Amino acid sequence: DAKTTQPNSMESNEEEPVHLPCNHSTISGTDYIHWYRQLPSQGPEYVIHGLTSNVNNRMASLAIAEDRKSSTLILHRATLRDAAVYYCILLTVPTQGGSEKLVFGKGTKLTVNP
Amino acid sequence: DSGVTQTPKHLITATGQRVTLRCSPRSGDLSVYWYQQSLDQGLQFLIQYYNGEERAKGNILERFSAQQFPDLHSELNLSSLELGDSALYFCASNTGYRKNIQYFGAGTRLSVL
Repeated sequence: DAKTTQPNSMESNEEEPVHLPCNHSTISGTDYIHWYRQLPSQGPEYVIHGLTSNVNNRMASLAIAEDRKSSTLILHRATLRDAAVYYCILLTVPTQGGSEKLVFGKGTKLTVNP
Repeated sequence: DSGVTQTPKHLITATGQRVTLRCSPRSGDLSVYWYQQSLDQGLQFLIQYYNGEERAKGNILERFSAQQFPDLHSELNLSSLELGDSALYFCASNTGYRKNIQYFGAGTRLSVL
């Protein structure tokens, strides 16, 4: 499984943008970049995913470098509820019958200050 | 609410015992994944079932087993429990189609004393 590298922790202030980086220099052409987050005492929650182009949804934006060796999850206005561990995961689309298991790293713990 | 239901929420048992964790996937989802989260190992994939059949195995111990029933709910059986099995166990589900995101339950916290 291809590896990702994320900072252990980051801090932000409420209502400010947050940029969470992820390096994935060994990404292959068929790997999708997925982000999940885990709020305290909860199960992981899907945030966003992309392949090559930047993506936006109601939760966040995903900016993918042109060479795809890195990506950035952008929370446009952090709230206290966004305090969580954010996981950047590379998901290889399997051949027929294969598994799309998620391989979690240690993630980035985001602290949001009021 | 993800739509994935896990029971029980908490489980306290003794070493050497056997427990069963239950997962009901989202309506329409055919695939169930089990993950273990411990302080030292983080979140680790254990096993996946798709429409009743085992599809993939991860770092699952031989003392652990799982199955998916015709109604698509799944059970994770943990036997000969050790102190080190204390962890959060998460179930996730999706349709099983390619590139599909996973929806996680709230987890079962297992404490082995």
